Amino acid sequence: KAGVTQTPRYLIKTRGQQVTLSCSPISGHRSVSWYQQTPGQGLQFLFEYFSETQRNKGNFPGRFSGRQFSNSRSEMNVSTLELGDSALYLCASSLTQTNTEAFFGQGTRLTVV
Amino acid sequence: AQSVTQPDIHITVSEGASLELRCNYSYGATPYLFWYVQSPGQGLQLLLKYFSGDTLVQGIKGFEAEFKRSQSSFNLRKPSVHWSDAAEYFCAVGPITGNQFYFGTGTSLTVIP
Repeated sequence: KAGVTQTPRYLIKTRGQQVTLSCSPISGHRSVSWYQQTPGQGLQFLFEYFSETQRNKGNFPGRFSGRQFSNSRSEMNVSTLELGDSALYLCASSLTQTNTEAFFGQGTRLTVV
Repeated sequence: AQSVTQPDIHITVSEGASLELRCNYSYGATPYLFWYVQSPGQGLQLLLKYFSGDTLVQGIKGFEAEFKRSQSSFNLRKPSVHWSDAAEYFCAVGPITGNQFYFGTGTSLTVIP
């Protein structure tokens, strides 16, 4: 079956703009988590959605937001982009919220100029 | 607080040699532990996981890891490294709450012929 699909794969934005990233989990998976990966900070948890509700949130400013739709697809939005938001954004899907095996997508590489 | 430490930022081994990547964790209870591998430009692939039971776990691609509670360690090993094993390796603990994982900073593996 298909894996986790993230779109787009690459994105270049200008400071101050906003961006929306998309994640389609594995079919049947209902939990989606988002991570930011940078060379300096490594992998950091952004938030997790399950059944269209945000269940956990990492330590990121309010400019970072997300949502999940009834088909479990998830989007994350970053407003007022800063140079430091340049990163690889990874989405992970799990069968349920308590299922502890996560499958990662290939990520969206965001570059802010 | 939960944390994961990977002491080795970069390791170089010869093809055919054995490999051990170190991982130490800090967690208040029995953790769920994972090793993921990331090839350049790709997402994370699960190598193996430990939930409970036998402390020596086998994973894909010939990798294994041993959980040592007394040392708070979960080191990854492979008896004979192949050139295709060159990648970034991440140790993770979780889920703490839901599917929120804490990742180490990663160990970059170079394999020389």
